[in-house]
Amino acid sequence: EAGVAQSPRYKIIEKRQSVAFWCNPISGHATLYWYQQILGQGPKLLIQFQNNGVVDDSQLPKDRFSAERLKGVDSTLKIQPAKLEDSAVYLCASTKSGRVNEQFFGPGTRLTVL
Amino acid sequence: AQSVTQLGSHVSVSEGALVLLRCNYSSSVPPYLFWYVQYPNQGLQLLLKYTSAATLVKGINGFEAEFKKSETSFHLTKPSAHMSDAAEYFCAVSVTNTGFQKLVFGTGTRLLVSP
Repeated sequence: EAGVAQSPRYKIIEKRQSVAFWCNPISGHATLYWYQQILGQGPKLLIQFQNNGVVDDSQLPKDRFSAERLKGVDSTLKIQPAKLEDSAVYLCASTKSGRVNEQFFGPGTRLTVL
Repeated sequence: AQSVTQLGSHVSVSEGALVLLRCNYSSSVPPYLFWYVQYPNQGLQLLLKYTSAATLVKGINGFEAEFKKSETSFHLTKPSAHMSDAAEYFCAVSVTNTGFQKLVFGTGTRLLVSP
């Protein structure tokens, strides 16, 4: 069974630029999560999808972050414009139906904002 | 609100020594608790989980954790550390909101293993 795929693995941009990350969850997994992991901290949930609907985006900075999962499969997270404090690893995870005890994580995208 | 606290941002042990990583939780309902490991430049890998069955949970790579309700703890242990255990370890608790579950993570403990 293929795992959660993410791309790119690394990205360096300058502040005020835009950036997008892509995630392809495990086949058949209805629930998809995006986490932000700042250096020295634990992952923080940004947004949670159930199929193509958002069930929790309470910690997503909506003035600059957006995410979509149009067909209920892969997902894109965008930052526009980026700030220095957005430097972090962005992790994608998925589960079959929102059961966190079966959550699988991708390798993450490391973003550096200069 | 449900949360976890990991005591000690860094723990150093010698190879062969006991590993003890501490995690205390705060929850008003019986929690699901997890330990994840993260190796450099990799995602999170589940070590073990407590889902209200046996209080002593065995995981991968020789790790185990014991759920102690009276102490609100879920400490991670391994009898004998290996060099390959050097990594970042995260404790997490499940939170249910509007019928959907999510994980809330602690700040992590970096395990350093010396020869």
